[in-house]
Amino acid sequence: AQKVTQAQTEISVVEKEDVTLDCVYETRDTTYYLFWYKQPPSGELVFLIRRNSFDEQNEISGRYSWNFQKSTSSFNFTITASQVVDSAVYFCALSELETSGSRLTFGEGTQLTVNP
Amino acid sequence: NAGVTQTPKFQVLKTGQSMTLQCAQDMNHNSMYWYRQDPGMGLRLIYYSASEGTTDKGEVPNGYNVSRLNKREFSLRLESAAPSQTSVYFCASRQGRDRADTEAFFGQGTRLTVV
Repeated sequence: AQKVTQAQTEISVVEKEDVTLDCVYETRDTTYYLFWYKQPPSGELVFLIRRNSFDEQNEISGRYSWNFQKSTSSFNFTITASQVVDSAVYFCALSELETSGSRLTFGEGTQLTVNP
Repeated sequence: NAGVTQTPKFQVLKTGQSMTLQCAQDMNHNSMYWYRQDPGMGLRLIYYSASEGTTDKGEVPNGYNVSRLNKREFSLRLESAAPSQTSVYFCASRQGRDRADTEAFFGQGTRLTVV
């Protein structure tokens, strides 16, 4: 069965600090996909990134970076020089190719608050 | 291009009442989902439909039923609402089926209160 754990319920930082959001997953499949979504205070869910299980290269997009490590089943998300606009709930999600068809499982989410 | 449209946006029900949440997507996606979001619990999958004509239970299906009416529409029904079903409900769709790599697109959510 697939499972995603985001152990950090809430994180509070001061603007310009770097912050890392943790995501740990469980899967029996060899082919799977990981996602990060952002939910700002307005409530909509915004897709940020996707990573497949065969690509362990880290990815950087502006102030955002993602670290995927199969050895520890983790897909962590770092925001560099955080800004107030980064305040949101962030979700990690997992999709398996083989055993569960199109099922898409989310973690509990991490509420990030960036204070001015 | 509307994406995923959910109705209604807000609803208050009395315990024991029934209602149907509607969801439609115009992206020709195969897979559709219903999630509920509760504080500290994240997004929990209620039911999903991998493709037209199929539905499967998710993590928390009790008290709900679904219908995949056609490729565009996926409805969620509460037959006898309970206060524990007070939540924000999200519908989502994605290309899915054998495309497990595709991202999901979400509706705006339905805030349901059962009193």
